[in-house]
Amino acid sequence: AQKITQTQPGMFVQEKEAVTLDCTYDTSDPSYGLFWYKQPSSGEMIFLIYQGSYDQQNATEGRYSLNFQKARKSANLVISASQLGDSAMYFCAMREGAAGRRALTFGSGTRLQVQP
Amino acid sequence: NAGVTQTPKFRVLKTGQSMTLLCAQDMNHEYMYWYRQDPGMGLRLIHYSVGEGTTAKGEVPDGYNVSRLKKQNFLLGLESAAPSQTSVYFCASSYSGTGRGPEAFFGQGTRLTVV
Repeated sequence: AQKITQTQPGMFVQEKEAVTLDCTYDTSDPSYGLFWYKQPSSGEMIFLIYQGSYDQQNATEGRYSLNFQKARKSANLVISASQLGDSAMYFCAMREGAAGRRALTFGSGTRLQVQP
Repeated sequence: NAGVTQTPKFRVLKTGQSMTLLCAQDMNHEYMYWYRQDPGMGLRLIHYSVGEGTTAKGEVPDGYNVSRLKKQNFLLGLESAAPSQTSVYFCASSYSGTGRGPEAFFGQGTRLTVV
C-alpha cells in the first residue's frame, strides 16, 4: 500500500500567489517525521521543511510552511509569494520509527510551474 | 564542505556488465541510502544501512547488492546490468535520531544507461 500519496501530478500558480501542495500519509507508528524536498530541473534534491509527529506547531521555514493535520494524516506544503525559481518537482516523504531506523519513503511528486 | 559525493556522475553500460557506484559522506552520518528515480516518478529505496557493517533491503532490491565496510562509504553494485536498471541513482545520508536535523542529505545523482 502507498505510504505517501501526492494526488496532484502538476500544479500552476501565478507569480506572487500562494500555492498548496497536497500530501497524505499512512502509518500506524506513533512516531514519525514528514519531509518536503524540492527537485529543480538540474536534478538535485533540496530539503525544504520537516515536521515531527509530536510537534505541537506547524513547521515554517521562510516562505514554506507545513499544514500538519494529524487526524487526517495530511502534511500539505504551503508556498507563499511564489517565485519563478519555485518551478520544480516537489516530493513529500516520511520516515517512521522512534529511532528513525527506517528509511525515507517518497511520494510520486507534484510538478509546480510558476507563471509570470 | 563536500556533503554527499557520488561517483561516477554518468555511466553507460552494456547489458550483462557489472559496475559499482560509490557514495561517500563526510558528515559522520549513521544512516545511508540508495534510491533510484525513474522518469516522472518519485524515489524508490533500493537498499539502506543503519550503521557500519549493516545493510537492509528496501522496496526494489533485486539485481543490486550493497556494502558498508566503512561508516563514510556506501557502495551499490550491479552484478549483471539490465536495461530495466536504466535510471538516476541517488545516495543519501542522515543522522539516526528524529528531532531537529533529521533530514537526509542527497548526492547529486548518477545517471546510468544500460544498452
